[in-house]
Amino acid sequence: EIVLTQSPATLSVSLGERATLSCRASQGIGTSLAWIQQKPGQTPRLLIYGASTRATGIPARFSGGGSGTEFTLTISNLQSEDFAVYYCQHSHNWPPYSFGPGTRLEIK
Amino acid sequence: EQLVQSGGEIRKPGESLKISCEGSGYNFMTFWITWVRHMPGRGLEWMGIIYPGDSDVDSDVRYSPAFQGQVTISVDKSIRTAYLHWSSLKSSDSAMYYCARFSPAYAMDLWGQGTPVIVSS
Repeated sequence: EIVLTQSPATLSVSLGERATLSCRASQGIGTSLAWIQQKPGQTPRLLIYGASTRATGIPARFSGGGSGTEFTLTISNLQSEDFAVYYCQHSHNWPPYSFGPGTRLEIK
Repeated sequence: EQLVQSGGEIRKPGESLKISCEGSGYNFMTFWITWVRHMPGRGLEWMGIIYPGDSDVDSDVRYSPAFQGQVTISVDKSIRTAYLHWSSLKSSDSAMYYCARFSPAYAMDLWGQGTPVIVSS
């Protein structure tokens, strides 16, 4: 079973700054990785799939990168609506298509 | 395109429960549907996945080892609806449950609104 770890657990960043979130897989998964955003009390939303492709309607300030075991989500020019919990999730050799534990992005 | 889930439920331990997820606006038969658990204060957990299929053969179902034997995932193709079923609930099953569509790019691109389940005596 592939295990995803995310760092940091909590990230405090100021409005307008850049945030970089990391996700590591316990074994190589190619680019079979997605990033999902969840705001409190809201339904999760797909941001990035295939490690680097933005989902429909996702602003260009969200970018994903990496392959194999190391992945990043970068959010540039942070807006107030970006503060949420971010999960990485793989889709390689199922089941399960597990999630990482999440990174909470807070306003500094 | 949308997934609409059934409403919140309150049950007692030991009771059974089936919650639903109806797809519309797209070809329900040709997309995998996955179920995700979100317990209070915890992260998202991938439970399992089902492929309805557009033939008469049984749908393909796979479970996370953590949920195998704990829940049953099924589908009624005639009404474009996926289900998550418990035969005997535990208090630890209290959570929000989401269904989500798996796109051909293997990403959960469409989510239901969630069904809160409370299990309490």
